[in-house]
Amino acid sequence: QKEVEQNSGPLSVPEGAIASLNCTYSDRGSQSFFWYRQYSGKSPELIMSIYSNGDKEDGRFTAQLNKASQYVSLLIRDSQPSDSATYLCAVNDRDDKIIFGKGTRLHILP
Amino acid sequence: DTAVSQTPKYLVTQMGNDKSIKCEQNLGHDTMYWYKQDSKKFLKIMFSYNNKELIINETVPNRFSPKSPDKAHLNLHINSLELGDSAVYFCASSQDLRDPYGYTFGSGTRLTVV
Repeated sequence: QKEVEQNSGPLSVPEGAIASLNCTYSDRGSQSFFWYRQYSGKSPELIMSIYSNGDKEDGRFTAQLNKASQYVSLLIRDSQPSDSATYLCAVNDRDDKIIFGKGTRLHILP
Repeated sequence: DTAVSQTPKYLVTQMGNDKSIKCEQNLGHDTMYWYKQDSKKFLKIMFSYNNKELIINETVPNRFSPKSPDKAHLNLHINSLELGDSAVYFCASSQDLRDPYGYTFGSGTRLTVV
């Protein structure tokens, strides 16, 4: 059974601090990794994708991938109240299905 | 212009009824999907179609039948609705099966079976 694991949270982070979200996956054949943000009552929205080991930065967001450890993370710098949402880790497995984790609820404290 | 649109947004119906959800994308994508998000927010794939051809059919009761009349449309018909079918159903699309850029999701259909 292919799995994507995330801590469900809630993760509470003070405004202006760095929020760190973590994800592990079971399928070593996975090639593409995504972070989606989902506000309550809304649809998931793609915010970052990463395909090779290392860091990828986009504005306040940094995705980190370590395929040897089967680990992907998302860092949000200078956290804002508008970052409060559920963050879904997703992994494209070798069968070309995107498998989602159960999400981490992030709460930015004003 | 909405990229992936679903109708209806809300659907309340009684057990045993048959209902359909429609999805259309105007992105020119080849692949479309149905996902189910349960009360615990777990998003699970149900079906995917690539150019009108069924590619992925997860372990879903056969009361659920997808239909893709063309690559821009993917509908979901559900027969004999049960209480456990209550969830939010999301349609999504991608350029193709191996699209490295992820999916674009519709706004979801909240189905409540009473």
